[in-house]
Amino acid sequence: SYVLTQPPSVSVAPGQTATISCEGHNIESKSVQWYQQKSDQAPVLVVYDDSDRPSGIPERFSGSNSGNTATLTISRVEAGDEADFYCQVWDTTSDHYVFGAGTKVTVL
Amino acid sequence: EVQLVESGGGLIQPGGSLRLSCEASGLIVSDNYMTWVRQAPGKGLEWVSIIYAGGTTYYANPVKGRFAISIDRSKNTVSLHMDSLRAEDTAVYYCTRSSRGTNWFDPWGQGTLVTVSS
Repeated sequence: SYVLTQPPSVSVAPGQTATISCEGHNIESKSVQWYQQKSDQAPVLVVYDDSDRPSGIPERFSGSNSGNTATLTISRVEAGDEADFYCQVWDTTSDHYVFGAGTKVTVL
Repeated sequence: EVQLVESGGGLIQPGGSLRLSCEASGLIVSDNYMTWVRQAPGKGLEWVSIIYAGGTTYYANPVKGRFAISIDRSKNTVSLHMDSLRAEDTAVYYCTRSSRGTNWFDPWGQGTLVTVSS
């Protein structure tokens, strides 16, 4: 089955840029989504189809996908961005959906 | 505005059965791809099952043969029937949807907690 690998944690100072990676075999051939989950809340879609943002999501959230790594970038990080972030793809070979294990973003 | 509201969670003994429901407003469930995702306490998200607009269903390997997803068109709800429950099924279960032809989930319900314990 397809595996997505994320770093367990990322720490960033306010105003700086946070970068979260999501590694998978030839992931560039897949559509990658990113979800933000704040403490005790349901996940929220922040990036879909590699780099598109749903309405209402700040431009500070951006995504890219190349080779074996997809990346979520949060620019000008704010205290309110602190959350767990998950990447997700659809595995065409199994018709299953796959999530990464999640990355906890801490704002220092 | 699309809203999804889950219900049916609770405490159940190992080996028991439970039925979760997800009531949708602002969308027609049979026109969308409806999905259940779970999250064990302190753990990450795990995809559980999906029912496509045409009725085709898929299940994650840990629940295949024990869980069944279905749609009630008259009530505009999607359900997850869970049999032979195990301690490792303990989780918050979220209902979410994908529009036809897409692979992302938006929006999500608030979740319902299932605890499997004696």
